Amino acid sequence: ETGVTQSPTHLIKTRGQQVTLRCSSQSGHNTVSWYQQALGQGPQFIFQYYREEENGRGNFPPRFSGLQFPNYSSELNVNALELDDSALYLCASIAKSGRGANTGELFFGEGSRLTVL
Amino acid sequence: QKEVEQNSGPLSVPEGAIASLNCTYSDRVSQSFFWYRQYSGKSPELIMSIYSNGDKEDGRFTAQLNKASQYVSLLIRDSQPSDSATYLCAVRNTGNQFYFGTGTSLTVIP
Repeated sequence: ETGVTQSPTHLIKTRGQQVTLRCSSQSGHNTVSWYQQALGQGPQFIFQYYREEENGRGNFPPRFSGLQFPNYSSELNVNALELDDSALYLCASIAKSGRGANTGELFFGEGSRLTVL
Repeated sequence: QKEVEQNSGPLSVPEGAIASLNCTYSDRVSQSFFWYRQYSGKSPELIMSIYSNGDKEDGRFTAQLNKASQYVSLLIRDSQPSDSATYLCAVRNTGNQFYFGTGTSLTVIP
């Protein structure tokens, strides 16, 4: 149990549509990041949020956007879907130690598998 | 040049043998290294983290780090069929962004 939950688990969209993926993490996990994992590849960093502000972004176009909310939940939005956007989208948070410090270890949710037709 | 490189495999070992997985990274200032296991259709799960040169052991798993050579490895002793999975090497940068290799597929043959 990582304390990170994602929804939906699977979804199918068509090219050009828009999608919103959701993530919730444990209270106090104030850093959340999103990764895209295409088939046969490792996860690729999309962006990261800290205290509701984006504080890091990977090599993804602006049609990938996100939000983090005060309750530590987060969204990933993808506009104008392309076939190559088909992938497993992973939400992750940095674990906290018993003293509340970041352990530096990244824990993933179960992922949302997006298929674009 | 990729940030993190792994042999994609597949790697097959008999049950009870030692499986050896290797990883190299390009950013010389990296300080934090991780191994994740990913079963087919599932998300990655953290199995080991290592921050200092040398070996770190946790049960049947041993992570080895050599910063001078920019090399990280994972040894799995007494391999079990349940160890069959893809193993991902990851490196964390100073901005808490993680870079992953493409993974090594391991099959443990009963």
